[in-house]
Amino acid sequence: DGGITQSPKYLFRKEGQNVTLSCEQNLNHDAMYWYRQDPGQGLRLIYYSQIVNDFQKGDIAEGYSVSREKKESFPLTVTSAQKNPTAFYLCASSVAGIYNQPQHFGDGTRLSIL
Amino acid sequence: QQQVKQSPQSLIVQKGGISIINCAYENTAFDYFPWYQQFPGKGPALLIAIRPDVSEKKEGRFTISFNKSAKQFSLHIMDSQPGDSATYFCAASSDNTDKLIFGTGTRLQVFP
Repeated sequence: DGGITQSPKYLFRKEGQNVTLSCEQNLNHDAMYWYRQDPGQGLRLIYYSQIVNDFQKGDIAEGYSVSREKKESFPLTVTSAQKNPTAFYLCASSVAGIYNQPQHFGDGTRLSIL
Repeated sequence: QQQVKQSPQSLIVQKGGISIINCAYENTAFDYFPWYQQFPGKGPALLIAIRPDVSEKKEGRFTISFNKSAKQFSLHIMDSQPGDSATYFCAASSDNTDKLIFGTGTRLQVFP
């Protein structure tokens, strides 16, 4: 079955630690996205990538970093500079270059502070 | 101008009733308006979407109504069922971007 796999499902971060969230897709999509979901705030875009080796900042990129070395993978690193990292993180993908294509989401990673 | 305002924040409906969720936007360049459904612990899934060249789109019990002049669109769930209990997000994007702007979500609870 084609889809998006996010791992781990739950993640705990210690103070001053960087953590990396994994996102893998086998939908052959060029575009991939990372969102942060907080209660009452909807989904806010952190980073997105429309092609391998290229990515752009979203609305709340500070304290986060990404890489896109392979079409299938778009890992997100939550750095120690992100002072309020506790949230539900969602990865999505879509066809690129044809606008208004649906975004397909993974089942998220819940990050908490120890 | 990039915001999509969604209301209500939460909604309680009896089984068989109609659930209505509203969204409003300011950016007149928006031309794609999807609705996503999210169950607890899961990612959102596309439910139904509309473009502004039509005023209504229906898929089963789910209908989007679109009012271009008022810059508003709404989701109607007819004959609401307990299995419809979820969080619903409206979103919008324009034709020159792959980026979606999401509303803040509506938590729907349908009681038997």
